[in-house]
Amino acid sequence: EAQVTQNPRYLITVTGKKLTVTCSQNMNHEYMSWYRQDPGLGLRQIYYSMNVEVTDKGDVPEGYKVSRKEKRNFPLILESPSPNQTSLYFCASSLGTKGKFNGYTFGSGTRLTVV
Amino acid sequence: GDSVTQMEGPVTLSEEAFLTINCTYTATGYPSLFWYVQYPGEGLQLLLKATKADDKGSNKGFEATYRKETTSFHLEKGSVQVSDSAVYFCALSDQGGSEKLVFGKGTKLTVNP
Repeated sequence: EAQVTQNPRYLITVTGKKLTVTCSQNMNHEYMSWYRQDPGLGLRQIYYSMNVEVTDKGDVPEGYKVSRKEKRNFPLILESPSPNQTSLYFCASSLGTKGKFNGYTFGSGTRLTVV
Repeated sequence: GDSVTQMEGPVTLSEEAFLTINCTYTATGYPSLFWYVQYPGEGLQLLLKATKADDKGSNKGFEATYRKETTSFHLEKGSVQVSDSAVYFCALSDQGGSEKLVFGKGTKLTVNP
C-alpha cells in the first residue's frame, strides 16, 4: 500500500531533550515536506526537500532540523524542544515531477507535547 | 505572497442539507487549487483538485469550480451525511515548480442526524 509513515503518533517530552520524528514513504517520491498544524493557524510548512541531499526552509523553520540522506526518509529533528513546539506535525510527499504536481500524500500525524 | 482565505467555522448542518464552504485565494501565478479533508484523528486526504481556470474538481459528491475571475474555489455538496463531519482545507500550489502547498486555516463541519 502506498503510504507515508510517521512515528511516533504521540510523544510527550520535556524541554530541551532532543527528539526525532521519523517519516518514510514507499512511493519513490522526490519531494517531501514537514508541516505543523496549530488551532487557528492552519498548516504551516517547516522544511521541505526536493530530492536526496536537497533541503530548504519553509515558513517556520526555527528550532527544527531535517536531513534527506535517502529518498524514502525525511526525519524531523528538534535539538532542544520548547513548549511552543507543542503541535500536530505532518509529513507529506509528492512525486516531484515539475509541472505535474497533483498534491501531497500525508502521513497520519505526530502529536507532540513539550512540557 | 500567496495566500488562501476560507470561511470561518465551525459549520453545523443537518443531514441532507446543502453545503458551501467558501475559499478565495491570492496568487501571483496560475496556481493549482485543492481541497483536503481531515477526519478526526487522521491525516489530510486529497478530496479534489483543479489545475486551470473553469476546471471542476469532483469526488464523493463534493464539487468545486476554479473561478479565475473571482479567484475562488468554493466547495459544495448537495446533500451532506453525518460521515462528512471533518475539517476541510482549501490549498493552492504555485505552478512555478516549488510544489509548496499553501493552506487556508480550515473549516470544521459537523453534520447532525
